[in-house]
Amino acid sequence: EPEVTQTPSHQVTQMGQEVILRCVPISNHLYFYWYRQILGQKVEFLVSFYNNEISEKSEIFDDQFSVERPDGSNFTLKIRSTKLEDSAMYFCASSQTSGGATGELFFGEGSRLTVL
Amino acid sequence: QQQVKQSPQSLIVQKGGIPIINCAYENTAFDYFPWYQQFPGKGPALLIAIRPDVSEKKEGRFTISFNKSAKQFSLHIMDSQPGDSATYFCAASKAGNTPLVFGKGTRLSVIA
Repeated sequence: EPEVTQTPSHQVTQMGQEVILRCVPISNHLYFYWYRQILGQKVEFLVSFYNNEISEKSEIFDDQFSVERPDGSNFTLKIRSTKLEDSAMYFCASSQTSGGATGELFFGEGSRLTVL
Repeated sequence: QQQVKQSPQSLIVQKGGIPIINCAYENTAFDYFPWYQQFPGKGPALLIAIRPDVSEKKEGRFTISFNKSAKQFSLHIMDSQPGDSATYFCAASKAGNTPLVFGKGTRLSVIA
């Protein structure tokens, strides 16, 4: 069964450092998302990406965050200067159709980011 | 308006019991209501979903009840099993390429 894969599974970084989280969405999917989950809390939307551009972003997704689809298979989330409050599990998701209302979102297993 | 309120925060039931998890929303533009199941160390996975044109949907032991006038929907798990122990999230979204808004999750424990 096709799946969304994420790397690394866990990254520890110092405050102020740049972090890149990588995702390989399911190959025939067109819509890509990043969500995050602070430990024990709800899953929060960060950004959606379609046709090589951001289609929607939340207030969490400020100038410190960026996304890229550099080579047609990977989908990356970059945090330029990490803060302690960026510590969370980051989930990549993809869908074949516009996943919110008409199709299933497939989530990866997540990348746990710990900022010290 | 964008929030989905979920309760309870945690739930413990005996094997064979019927746990019920409730969600409420404010935004009447929401028209897709999925439930996601998350096991420890894994990403959320779609369990079952409903649209507001029906009041109930059943898939195996899982049933969604939907009350459009009350803006509430709930998940029922029939004949619950220890393997159902997980965190369950309700979610909602509007038509088009709009992101899912998740509830805070319910940690369910089914004890033998």
